[in-house]
Amino acid sequence: KNQVEQSPQSLIILEGKNCTLQCNYTVSPFSNLRWYKQDTGRGPVSLTIMTFSENTKSNGRYTATLDADTKQSSLHITASQLSDSASYICVVSESTGRRALTFGSGTRLQVQP
Amino acid sequence: DADVTQTPRNRITKTGKRIMLECSQTKGHDRMYWYRQDPGLGLRLIYYSFDVKDINKGEISDGYSVSRQAQAKFSLSLESAIPNQTALYFCATSDSRSGYQPQHFGDGTRLSIL
Repeated sequence: KNQVEQSPQSLIILEGKNCTLQCNYTVSPFSNLRWYKQDTGRGPVSLTIMTFSENTKSNGRYTATLDADTKQSSLHITASQLSDSASYICVVSESTGRRALTFGSGTRLQVQP
Repeated sequence: DADVTQTPRNRITKTGKRIMLECSQTKGHDRMYWYRQDPGLGLRLIYYSFDVKDINKGEISDGYSVSRQAQAKFSLSLESAIPNQTALYFCATSDSRSGYQPQHFGDGTRLSIL
């Protein structure tokens, strides 16, 4: 069964610090991996999408990495801001049929002043 | 104005009632999706529609039905609500060029069934 595991479940950091969120998956065959940010009371918003051939992709202070061999991805947040407080969700797509998605349960990040 | 609008944003109702959640979009996307989110779990797909005449069950469609009234409108119905359908429901859209992944989500409907 396809699975996406995210760690840690929750994280508290001080404003200005960096942090890294992890995503491990068993989805096969792999098509792409997407990171979403979900603010409290809002829908998820896409941050990055990575295909098999991409190792790193940045979106401002967010940098995602992908190791398709070990089936691991990370989301690194640099110089955190209070507005980064949110849940971060990793989603992996299969490459067959209608590209079924498997969602991780998310990492809840709290940035404190 | 939001690109994907869900109504209502919050709803409390009783077991056995029929409930309809509505979603409309101004993105011009042909694909629409309904998901539910429960604490500690990832989003799970209920139904999806690739165009007005193409509606498909997701992984947890039992107890739900949908209607795609127009390209811009996709509604989700609970025919006889039960407490374990208490959850946060999201509508999402995508266009065919982006493949099968939802690109834009609404802000959700928080549904509580007593």
